[in-house]
Amino acid sequence: DTGVSQDPRHKITKRGQNVTFRCDPISEHNRLYWYRQTLGQGPEFLTYFQNEAQLEKSRLLSDRFSAERPKGSFSTLEIQRTEQGDSAMYLCASSLLSGQPQHFGDGTRLSIL
Amino acid sequence: DAKTTQPNSMESNEEEPVHLPCNHSTISGTDYIHWYRQLPSQGPEYVIHGLTSNVNNRMASLAIAEDRKSSTLILHRATLRDAAVYYCILRQGSSNTGKLIFGQGTTLQVKP
Repeated sequence: DTGVSQDPRHKITKRGQNVTFRCDPISEHNRLYWYRQTLGQGPEFLTYFQNEAQLEKSRLLSDRFSAERPKGSFSTLEIQRTEQGDSAMYLCASSLLSGQPQHFGDGTRLSIL
Repeated sequence: DAKTTQPNSMESNEEEPVHLPCNHSTISGTDYIHWYRQLPSQGPEYVIHGLTSNVNNRMASLAIAEDRKSSTLILHRATLRDAAVYYCILRQGSSNTGKLIFGQGTTLQVKP
């Protein structure tokens, strides 16, 4: 069990650019979740996958955001045409089943210049 | 989603017990009470969860009121490493998503 891994840890980009983050969950975990956390706030749910199927998306996930989990393994979160308000920590978590504890990665911190 | 109420901050001395309260007066019968904590510059970490009965694990104990409208996370001997934001979360047992709805949590400061 190597834990949930996220890459990169930090990303600095100019407004309007596209960015992509990667999450490698704990192997054999069927559930994968994406959350966003701004300074001083608790994480907010964005979306989740059961294997390769994306089953729920928060209204926070605008059409500039897209997430994939090909083959039910790693996942990517892409933000197109980044805006200042996208600056946040993006957290990934995985769990074996719906009711099981979620294991979080240490996140990708996105800064928009 | 049922909401939880926690104090914004608490202080403790090292090696003393800490009781972190959480109110959840609108809890439903199938809601599980989960606790996570987040150390600085890290993702949240699962601590403990329960439904009706008190629970113990190597990290902490969870005491749940008989009416389930409140609960208390107990750290038996606080260490400096326990300084973190502690989140009390209700997870719907009837929901299949498993998503966690975080509040602002309680920031625990541990003094040496």
